[in-house]
Amino acid sequence: GIQVEQSPPDLILQEGANSTLRCNFSDSVNNLQWFHQNPWGQLINLFYIPSGTKQNGRLSATTVATERYSLLYISSSQTTDSGVYFCAVGYNNNDMRFGAGTRLTVKP
Amino acid sequence: DSGVTQTPKHLITATGQRVTLRCSPRSGDLSVYWYQQSLDQGLQFLIQYYNGEERAKGNILERFSAQQFPDLHSELNLSSLELGDSALYFCASSVTGTGTEAFFGQGTRLTVV
Repeated sequence: GIQVEQSPPDLILQEGANSTLRCNFSDSVNNLQWFHQNPWGQLINLFYIPSGTKQNGRLSATTVATERYSLLYISSSQTTDSGVYFCAVGYNNNDMRFGAGTRLTVKP
Repeated sequence: DSGVTQTPKHLITATGQRVTLRCSPRSGDLSVYWYQQSLDQGLQFLIQYYNGEERAKGNILERFSAQQFPDLHSELNLSSLELGDSALYFCASSVTGTGTEAFFGQGTRLTVV
């Protein structure tokens, strides 16, 4: 099956810092999504981005499907950005697999 | 609110028992996915249904089964429960298959004692 690798596994930042999270995948995909799992366990949709670049406030994402990677940028981080960030890829139209996640801690 | 509803939110049961988790997808979504997230772990894909038919299967144990009904809601049945089955179980839905954006419910936290 498809392999999804996220890096780094853990990231600790001071409030106001910027960060880049990476997601590599091993095969062609028809979907790529970024999620934020907050401390209460909720999975929040950040981006649906099978290719190209999108921006939403302080967050932006880029997927280069031909090179099988996606990047999530967080600028001017806030303590509320803490949690786990997952990327998930869809392939074969019926299977959606998650990476192991990046655990982000933003300190005040 | 994602529009995906999961019930119950919390469930505590004893080893050896059987439970049923329920998921109502967003209006108009035909695909339902089930995932298991054990403590501090990633999300493990269990199974996917599209318009009532099973389309993809992941690491789902034989003790677990699922189905999607004509009204498109789905149920995940877990039987002969073991302590290791304690986890957060998520349901997600999308319009068609994985080529469309998926949205997740709030999860059911299952504790087996």
